[in-house]
Amino acid sequence: DAGVIQSPRHEVTEMGQEVTLRCKPISGHDYLFWYRQTMMRGLELLIYFNNNVPIDDSGMPEDRFSAKMPNASFSTLKIQPSEPRDSAVYFCASSLPGQGGEQYFGPGTRLTVT
Amino acid sequence: GQNIDQPTEMTATEGAIVQINCTYQTSGFNGLFWYQQHAGEAPTFLSYNVLDGLEEKGRFSSFLSRSKGYSYLLLKELQMKDSASYLCAVRLFTGGGNKLTFGTGTQLKVEL
Repeated sequence: DAGVIQSPRHEVTEMGQEVTLRCKPISGHDYLFWYRQTMMRGLELLIYFNNNVPIDDSGMPEDRFSAKMPNASFSTLKIQPSEPRDSAVYFCASSLPGQGGEQYFGPGTRLTVT
Repeated sequence: GQNIDQPTEMTATEGAIVQINCTYQTSGFNGLFWYQQHAGEAPTFLSYNVLDGLEEKGRFSSFLSRSKGYSYLLLKELQMKDSASYLCAVRLFTGGGNKLTFGTGTQLKVEL
């Protein structure tokens, strides 16, 4: 299995531009999670999906952030417009349901907004 | 709300044993996870406890006491490659979901 795939791995953009991050979960995993990691705030859950349906988006910082999961094998996280404080590493993770449903993380996208 | 506490940094010697503690205050507890994260890499799953007691996996063990809101990760026979951040994460009952709340991590440095 290829694991969770994220693209791009690095993104540098200017303030005000739109940024789209992409994720392909592990085949057969029902849950998909988007996290943001910074030195100051650690690893924060932004939103998660179950069977392509958003379940909890309480971690999405503001309306500039949106996430979609059009099918079981693809999800996007979009920031529009981007701001310097959005600079972070964004991880996507997927898991199976159940008690032992550990999450498998993708390699992350390092976003820098100048 | 939820509160998860773990030490920020620890240093240990190669070949030794180290214990990383995690305390939590949550409602709706449904399991505790430990993840390892090397610098510049993604977190990887180490262990999972949902019942009280010790879970052993090779050089790594994890303990949970639900009544005390306490867990620890025990690393034996430390190796240089164990230098990493160790994240404690609590799972809550959220209608059957797998939502995790992570602590800020303990940066472990293994020295010769």
